[in-house]
Amino acid sequence: GNSVTQMEGPVTLSEEAFLTINCTYTATGYPSLFWYVQYPGEGLQLLLKATKADDKGSNKGFEATYRKETTSFHLEKGSVQVSDSAVYFCALSDNSGYSTLTFGKGTMLLVSP
Amino acid sequence: ETGVTQTPRHLVMGMTNKKSLKCEQHLGHNAMYWYKQSAKKPLELMFVYSLEERVENNSVPSRFSPECPNSSHLFLHLHTLQPEDSALYLCASSQDGTDGHSPLHFGNGTRLTVT
Repeated sequence: GNSVTQMEGPVTLSEEAFLTINCTYTATGYPSLFWYVQYPGEGLQLLLKATKADDKGSNKGFEATYRKETTSFHLEKGSVQVSDSAVYFCALSDNSGYSTLTFGKGTMLLVSP
Repeated sequence: ETGVTQTPRHLVMGMTNKKSLKCEQHLGHNAMYWYKQSAKKPLELMFVYSLEERVENNSVPSRFSPECPNSSHLFLHLHTLQPEDSALYLCASSQDGTDGHSPLHFGNGTRLTVT
């Protein structure tokens, strides 16, 4: 079956530091890959996505590249802000026709001033 | 009102109670979902409705009963729950075709505590 593995958190950074959150996946076929973000007290919001190998998704300064050879979709940001503090979820969709996503456990990011 | 709205935001119930969670989406989507979010576990897909028909039921106990009366509304009826059912229950919607690329739009969830 499909699975997503994320690095354990929390990740603690100072403002303006570089961020990487690792994500690897196991899936048959050619899944679509997503990063979602959950701010305290809220539901999940789509941050970015990539639908085929070598695609780069980007949004709000965050980027992730779909690497089929390493089955990875690592999230990066060059300079984090306090407002980026949240839980980040990597997910994949097996493109079955409706969006049944398989999620990782989530990685909490804490950014201090 | 836009997006996906869930009510109530918080719910405390005893194991013998019957309650319902409500979800409404204002996005014109054709698929709706219930997810369970527990601490230190991946999100668990519970139910999927596509075009108002249930298309997936991931071995969820019968004490959880979904209802989708139309494409904009989704309910989760609860009865005789267990303390381990305490979690954040998230509703989501999407506009689905045949490729599964459509992102999910989530509500803010109902925080359920079973005493």
